[in-house]
Amino acid sequence: GAVVSQHPSWVICKSGTSVKIECRSLDFQATTMFWYRQFPKQSLMLMATSNEGSKATYEQGVEKDKFLINHASLTLSTLTVTSAHPEDSSFYICSARLGGTNTGELFFGEGSRLTVL
Amino acid sequence: QKEVEQDPGPLSVPEGAIVSLNCTYSNSAFQYFMWYRQYSRKGPELLMYTYSSGNKEDGRFTAQVDKSSKYISLFIRDSQPSDSATYLCAMRYSSGNTPLVFGKGTRLSVIA
Repeated sequence: GAVVSQHPSWVICKSGTSVKIECRSLDFQATTMFWYRQFPKQSLMLMATSNEGSKATYEQGVEKDKFLINHASLTLSTLTVTSAHPEDSSFYICSARLGGTNTGELFFGEGSRLTVL
Repeated sequence: QKEVEQDPGPLSVPEGAIVSLNCTYSNSAFQYFMWYRQYSRKGPELLMYTYSSGNKEDGRFTAQVDKSSKYISLFIRDSQPSDSATYLCAMRYSSGNTPLVFGKGTRLSVIA
């Protein structure tokens, strides 16, 4: 099946610094990628929808200036957590949909665990 | 009322048991239904994908959709300790490049 790769798988940073997380579709082109956040024992909460070549669409309550999303190519989307604070500590997961399809099948990355000290 | 309701469990069963996991939803516009399995500290893995009402079987897994009742189920036969994970139901609307709406997930433990 399709593979989505995330990097880094875990990161620890100091409060106030910025962290970039990469999401790559390895064997397919993804016109759309979705970024989710998951707190312990909670479900996945959609943060934003990333479309190649255009601005991301953010869900209500998600600060677009804090969570910068760039989808510069059909195989790469990045999420940058700017000026991270301890409350931003979470599990961030990206997902990608095969380009040109509308079947609803999403392939998820392995997730990136962010800990802000 | 949340769009998708799922009992978080935890659910503990002995090895070999039949497991039944369920979700209900409130929006009849949902047309695509999925079940994901998520191991601890890992991303979700797609298990089953269904569109129409009825049953879909894949090995030990059976997905069931009842659109009239807005109810979906996942059955696991002959459960194994390796099935211990969190199971998330997900669904989306029929048209457009729309994201998935997830249930909270049910934590399952299969005891050897």
